[in-house]
Amino acid sequence: AQSVTQLGSHVSVSEGALVLLRCNYSSSVPPYLFWYVQYPNQGLQLLLKYTTGATLVKGINGFEAEFKKSETSFHLTKPSAHMSDAAEYFCAVSRFSSGSARQLTFGSGTQLTVLP
Amino acid sequence: DTAVSQTPKYLVTQMGNDKSIKCEQNLGHDTMYWYKQDSKKFLKIMFSYNNKELIINETVPNRFSPKSPDKAHLNLHINSLELGDSAVYFCASTQSLTGWNTGELFFGEGSRLTVL
Repeated sequence: AQSVTQLGSHVSVSEGALVLLRCNYSSSVPPYLFWYVQYPNQGLQLLLKYTTGATLVKGINGFEAEFKKSETSFHLTKPSAHMSDAAEYFCAVSRFSSGSARQLTFGSGTQLTVLP
Repeated sequence: DTAVSQTPKYLVTQMGNDKSIKCEQNLGHDTMYWYKQDSKKFLKIMFSYNNKELIINETVPNRFSPKSPDKAHLNLHINSLELGDSAVYFCASTQSLTGWNTGELFFGEGSRLTVL
């Protein structure tokens, strides 16, 4: 069964500092992996995804993530945090459910706080 | 021109009442979902419909009844509301399951249900 673990339910960084949000997955088949962002009182928005090919994936708003099969990780990074990055971040893995239906399983989320 | 829209955005009601949430997507997707997000931000899948057919039905009380009149619409009706039903309910959609699909979800902005 596929699952994801997000290490750290709360992460605080100073504005301009590196952002690192950790995600580890377990999957019996090559996974499809996602990072979503949720701003206050809004829905989830896709930041980036890994399916196949290049293991370093670039997303919106300067975020990127690297798929490391040997470490079963898909950590999210951004070189320089901005105040507008403050939000809840979710890692997710896609798996098959009910035949051909794919289903996303989400991690428990990481709240990112950016300090001035 | 919202891709996945939900109504109402906020819903405050008394215990024991019945309420409905509606969702519509204009992305041409065949598959739609209901997710529940609790106060700790944990996202749990409830139901999924593919082209009006129920394909995922997680362990959810019978008081919750989804309906999909067509592939662009998915509604959620809740009977005899309880305090524990207070949460944010998200509608989401994904492209057709008949082709290659990563499972990427497109979310609505959520419907915040408060049961008093």
